[in-house]
Amino acid sequence: DGGITQSPKYLFRKEGQNVTLSCEQNLNHDAMYWYRQDPGQGLRLIYYSQIVNDFQKGDIAEGYSVSREKKESFPLTVTSAQKNPTAFYLCASSIGLRPDEQYFGPGTRLTVT
Amino acid sequence: AQTVTQSQPEMSVQEAETVTLSCTYDTSESDYYLFWYKQPPSRQMILVIRQEAYKQQNATENRFSVNFQKAAKSFSLKISDSQLGDAAMYFCAYSRDDKIIFGKGTRLHILP
Repeated sequence: DGGITQSPKYLFRKEGQNVTLSCEQNLNHDAMYWYRQDPGQGLRLIYYSQIVNDFQKGDIAEGYSVSREKKESFPLTVTSAQKNPTAFYLCASSIGLRPDEQYFGPGTRLTVT
Repeated sequence: AQTVTQSQPEMSVQEAETVTLSCTYDTSESDYYLFWYKQPPSRQMILVIRQEAYKQQNATENRFSVNFQKAAKSFSLKISDSQLGDAAMYFCAYSRDDKIIFGKGTRLHILP
């Protein structure tokens, strides 16, 4: 079955620690995206990547970092510089560089205390 | 700046009735895609319907249809014969350049 996997589903960290969220796709999609979802805020774009070894900042990139070493993988690191890291994080992918549809993973709920 | 506006944070509809969720957007492009995504309590995002801006005919998918008014930049979603499984957050979105921009969502409650 093709799809997007995110692990883990729930993640807990202490304040001041970096944490990496996993996102893997076997859809052979070129583009991958990371969104953050907070109550009442919809989905806000953190970073996206259209090809391996290249990525662009979204609207709320501060305090986050990404890498794209393989086409199928796009991990997101939430650094200690992110002031409010507790949120629901969604990974998505799309076939082409201009998305006519995005496919989403199941998400990771990150709680930082 | 918010470029997709969903003016109804919450709505309720009786089971089997029809409900319309509204959405307006702002773009200077002439060719783009519009979307409605559903997010049930599982939080999995599911594409409900998609509209290509250059097509005048409104998209339909079974009980879901849209009213696309390009000049007014309006893209409403109509759900007919509402079912309990339709209860979810609904997000309106459009593609801009190489990204998709989402609204803040409308939470839809289905009353039995």
